[in-house]
Amino acid sequence: AQSVAQPEDQVNVAEGNPLTVKCTYSVSGNPYLFWYVQYPNRGLQFLLKYITGDNLVKGSYGFEAEFNKSQTSFHLKKPSALVSDSALYFCAVRAYNFNKFYFGSGTKLNVKP
Amino acid sequence: EAGVAQSPRYKIIEKRQSVAFWCNPISGHATLYWYQQILGQGPKLLIQFQNNGVVDDSQLPKDRFSAERLKGVDSTLKIQPAKLEDSAVYLCASSSKGYYTDTQYFGPGTRLTVL
Repeated sequence: AQSVAQPEDQVNVAEGNPLTVKCTYSVSGNPYLFWYVQYPNRGLQFLLKYITGDNLVKGSYGFEAEFNKSQTSFHLKKPSALVSDSALYFCAVRAYNFNKFYFGSGTKLNVKP
Repeated sequence: EAGVAQSPRYKIIEKRQSVAFWCNPISGHATLYWYQQILGQGPKLLIQFQNNGVVDDSQLPKDRFSAERLKGVDSTLKIQPAKLEDSAVYLCASSSKGYYTDTQYFGPGTRLTVL
């Protein structure tokens, strides 16, 4: 069965510090991995995705994510957090030749000034 | 490029009433998705259309939910009759071809409250 886990409901970080939002996955076959951000009363906005190739993927707003096949992880990172990064972050996975898009339960990121 | 449009943005109904949501995908996108997002959870796929055909509706509660995508563009999702547990945000998304690697682009959602 395909699944995604975001082990932290909430992450707190001070502005200017690096941030990490964790994601682990379970799929049969090669995974396609995505990160989305959701601001209050808005839909999900695409940040980045891993399909194949370089394990470090760079995306919108200075975010990046590292695919680690041995640890089945796809953690989202940013070198220097901004207060405006405060939002709900979702990791999602899709497996090759498997139709559904599975989302994690989300991690609330709080960046304090 | 215009994004995915949804209406209404908010809807409050009594249980056992009917409700319909509308979605207009990004122009030219062949694939359209409807998701249900219950508070505190990630979105759950209800139905996926490829043009005007259904690709996956395995998680759609077909006794009360229905969806159509006439002419392969706009789509409507209907709930009849609504239950309290249907209170959620209903998200529409579209992607260009429906490939496994495609990015899905989401609309702002419709927040449904069933009283």
